[in-house]
Amino acid sequence: GQSLEQPSEVTAVEGAIVQINCTYQTSGFYGLSWYQQHDGGAPTFLSYNGLDGLEETGRFSSFLSRSDSYGYLLLQELQMKDSASYFCAVSPNTGFQKLVFGTGTRLLVSP
Amino acid sequence: GAVVSQHPSWVICKSGTSVKIECRSLDFQATTMFWYRQFPKQSLMLMATSNEGSKATYEQGVEKDKFLINHASLTLSTLTVTSAHPEDSSFYICSARDNAGGHWVSNTGELFFGEGSRLTVL
Repeated sequence: GQSLEQPSEVTAVEGAIVQINCTYQTSGFYGLSWYQQHDGGAPTFLSYNGLDGLEETGRFSSFLSRSDSYGYLLLQELQMKDSASYFCAVSPNTGFQKLVFGTGTRLLVSP
Repeated sequence: GAVVSQHPSWVICKSGTSVKIECRSLDFQATTMFWYRQFPKQSLMLMATSNEGSKATYEQGVEKDKFLINHASLTLSTLTVTSAHPEDSSFYICSARDNAGGHWVSNTGELFFGEGSRLTVL
């Protein structure tokens, strides 16, 4: 099975940098994804790591280390609109198409 | 990007009744769709994988007789919550990948989500 753990809540101020960690126990997966979800809304895709290393997409970067069973999402130049929940997720190699989500991290950005 | 539409956005029903939620892929074909459930301040829990033209695959612990899934076409999957009870009140979200022609359009792992349906059972 798959188990992905995240901190429940992170707080930061505008303009800061924040890192949201994801540690996992899984029998195998194709890649690690990150999604953002605002209250009452649908999750939206942020980033994907198929291989170890850093992927950068604008203000957001994501990192994966399979040897450490660990990944993180890095958000730079935080804005108020970044206040949302963030989820890591894996595509297990037993069912490539589906996504199994982590416990989620609620990010609160203050002025 | 690919668009997934879900209807209704919210529904209130009496205990014991059944509720149907529709999920449509508007600009792509989806042989496979996924249904998730999310309780307040919790993560998205995969309920089942909906397969066009065949039976859905349910995750462990999900009652297939209670959550009926039908995927009759390449653009429509439906979830019916039968004999709903207050504990079924939740946010139900469908999703799909755009795998046109059987090949992945993107290998980034991206799932496209519907807007979600908030079910309240009185």
